Amino acid sequence: DGGITQSPKYLFRKEGQNVTLSCEQNLNHDAMYWYRQDPGQGLRLIYYSQIVNDFQKGDIAEGYSVSREKKESFPLTVTSAQKNPTAFYLCASSAVRGAYGYTFGSGTRLTVV
Amino acid sequence: AQSVSQHNHHVILSEAASLELGCNYSYGGTVNLFWYVQYPGQHLQLLLKYFSGDPLVKGIKGFEAEFIKSKFSFNLRKPSVQWSDTAEYFCAVNAATGGSYIPTFGRGTSLIVHP
Repeated sequence: DGGITQSPKYLFRKEGQNVTLSCEQNLNHDAMYWYRQDPGQGLRLIYYSQIVNDFQKGDIAEGYSVSREKKESFPLTVTSAQKNPTAFYLCASSAVRGAYGYTFGSGTRLTVV
Repeated sequence: AQSVSQHNHHVILSEAASLELGCNYSYGGTVNLFWYVQYPGQHLQLLLKYFSGDPLVKGIKGFEAEFIKSKFSFNLRKPSVQWSDTAEYFCAVNAATGGSYIPTFGRGTSLIVHP
């Protein structure tokens, strides 16, 4: 079945450590996105990529970094510069530059202690 | 930049009650509109979408939404809710920005349906 795989589902890290969240899709979608979901705040866009080797900052990119070396993969690194990293992170992908909807992964819940 | 407002943050209903969740957006150009649902412990799923044509859109599980351009609204409705509709609902708007279509989501509405 085609879809988006996010791993791990739960992640615990110590404060000050960088951590990388994985996102892989086998939908042959060109565009991929990272969102952060916090209670009462909906989904906020961190980074997006419309094509391999290119990505753009979203609304809350500070403290995060991404890469897009392959069409199927769009990993997100939460750096120690992110002041409040504990959150639920969602990866999504879309075809045709997102004009027709988005497919979401099941998310990674990151807890920084 | 576009923005999306969902006015109902928490809704509690009894089974068989009717549901209407409000969604307003701010963007002057052509938009695509979506409603997504997130059941407890599950990933976001597309309920329905509007691109053009008939402003009354029917989605999965008996949901429908009406696009009213003059009011910049895309309210979600269901005539009779079930306990299994308990979930979080997100309205999203997708407008062209420099050739890209980046979706903006509302803050979500948490729906609890009592049996």
